[in-house]
Amino acid sequence: EAGVTQSPTHLIKTRGQQATLRCSPISGHTSVYWYQQALGLGLQFLLWYDEGEERNRGNFPPRFSGRQFPNYSSELNVNALELEDSALYLCASSLKGVYGYTFGSGTRLTVV
Amino acid sequence: AQSVTQLDSQVPVFEEAPVELRCNYSSSVSVYLFWYVQYPNQGLQLLLKYLSGSTLVKGINGFEAEFNKSQTSFHLRKPSVHISDTAEYFCAVSNSGGYNKLIFGAGTRLAVHP
Repeated sequence: EAGVTQSPTHLIKTRGQQATLRCSPISGHTSVYWYQQALGLGLQFLLWYDEGEERNRGNFPPRFSGRQFPNYSSELNVNALELEDSALYLCASSLKGVYGYTFGSGTRLTVV
Repeated sequence: AQSVTQLDSQVPVFEEAPVELRCNYSSSVSVYLFWYVQYPNQGLQLLLKYLSGSTLVKGINGFEAEFNKSQTSFHLRKPSVHISDTAEYFCAVSNSGGYNKLIFGAGTRLAVHP
C-alpha cells in the first residue's frame, strides 16, 4: 500500500511569489491535514480537509489556503511568500473514525 | 483549548541505557494521546497511541507509554536504547469528541551515544 505522498520534495521560491504543494493521501483515507514545521517552532496545525470540505483552520493568515479534490488529494497554496514561510510542510491523512494520522515525508519550502 | 508540554527539549543517553521522555497535557475534555518519531529529513511515524482501555500502551521499536489521568501525563519509555533511536520525538493530543485534529508538543531530541 502506498503511503502519503507529497510533491515536490524541495521547493525554492522568491519572496512575494506563490507556492503550491501537493499531497496524495493513502487510498481510502478521506481526511487530509497540513502542518507547518518551522525551525524552532514545532508542528503548527494549518488546515484540515475532509471529503472535499475545509473542516478546521489553524492560526495562519489567509494567504495560506488549500483545497481537496474529489479523489481526496489536496493542494496547499501559499501566496505572497515571506522569508518566515520557509519550513517543512507536512501532509497527513486518516481514515474516517480512526484517530491518529499517517504522515508524508514533507515538502521543504525555502523562500529567498 | 488543549496543549501539550514536553518537558525536555534534549535528552542525551548512552546506548543500552533506559530512557524516559516526558509529556504532560492539558484539556478540559477526554483526550486521545499519541507519540510520533521523526528521523532526520523524514516525516513523522506513529510509535503508539492511547485511546482507551489499559493505561500501559506498547508501541513499535520496543517503546511503551503510560497514561496517567490524575497527573495528566503520557511519558514514553524504553528499557534499552540503540543508536538507531536517535531522533526527534513528539507527543500529541486530540480530543475524543470526533474531532481528529492533533496538537503537538515542541518535541524532544533523543541523542543516543555509544
